[in-house]
Amino acid sequence: QKEVEQNSGPLSVPEGAIASLNCTYSDRVSQSFFWYRQYSGKSPELIMSIYSNGDKEDGRFTAQLNKASQYVSLLIRDSQPSDSATYLCAVYWLDTGRRALTFGSGTRLQVQP
Amino acid sequence: GAGVSQSPRYKVAKRGQDVALRCDPISGHVSLFWYQQALGQGPEFLTYFQNEAQLDKSGLPSDRFFAERPEGSVSTLKIQRTQQEDSAVYLCASSYSQGLTDLYEQYFGPGTRLTVT
Repeated sequence: QKEVEQNSGPLSVPEGAIASLNCTYSDRVSQSFFWYRQYSGKSPELIMSIYSNGDKEDGRFTAQLNKASQYVSLLIRDSQPSDSATYLCAVYWLDTGRRALTFGSGTRLQVQP
Repeated sequence: GAGVSQSPRYKVAKRGQDVALRCDPISGHVSLFWYQQALGQGPEFLTYFQNEAQLDKSGLPSDRFFAERPEGSVSTLKIQRTQQEDSAVYLCASSYSQGLTDLYEQYFGPGTRLTVT
């Protein structure tokens, strides 16, 4: 079974710092990657998607993908207290025939004012 | 535009009762998913619809769980004879894509928190 792993945290960073969230997955074939942010008691909100090796930037967020190392990360620059949430990594494996995303358990981020 | 909506937002059921959870996807989205999320875990797949066709129900935990999307828009997840282990947040997601390419962004509704007492 294909798996997605994340450190549960909490990851604590001071306001203004760079938060680095990591995700590893179990296979290298035909996949795309998504980062969701989930505030306590709320549903997941899509913040980034990445399909190709390298970096993808969107505002304060940068997603980094290394398929050879089976590793995807999310960097949050100039972290704000409002970024405090659980960040879920999700993978879509095109070759399995299953159309659903497979999620990690999430990393809880705490940004200290 | 309007996002995915779900109702009710909260449901308390006594063990043994039947419940029905509704999902209204983003207009025009052909793909619709139901996920179950336990506390401290990521969402786990239950079932998938492409328009009105249920193409994958491999994640449904038992035959007490049933889902439908008769007109290819609104979907209902029904749980019969609820058990305490069914307590969770049930999330609906939709996508404009059929998942045949890598471009497969899914957008979630607010969820229904089910508590079985």
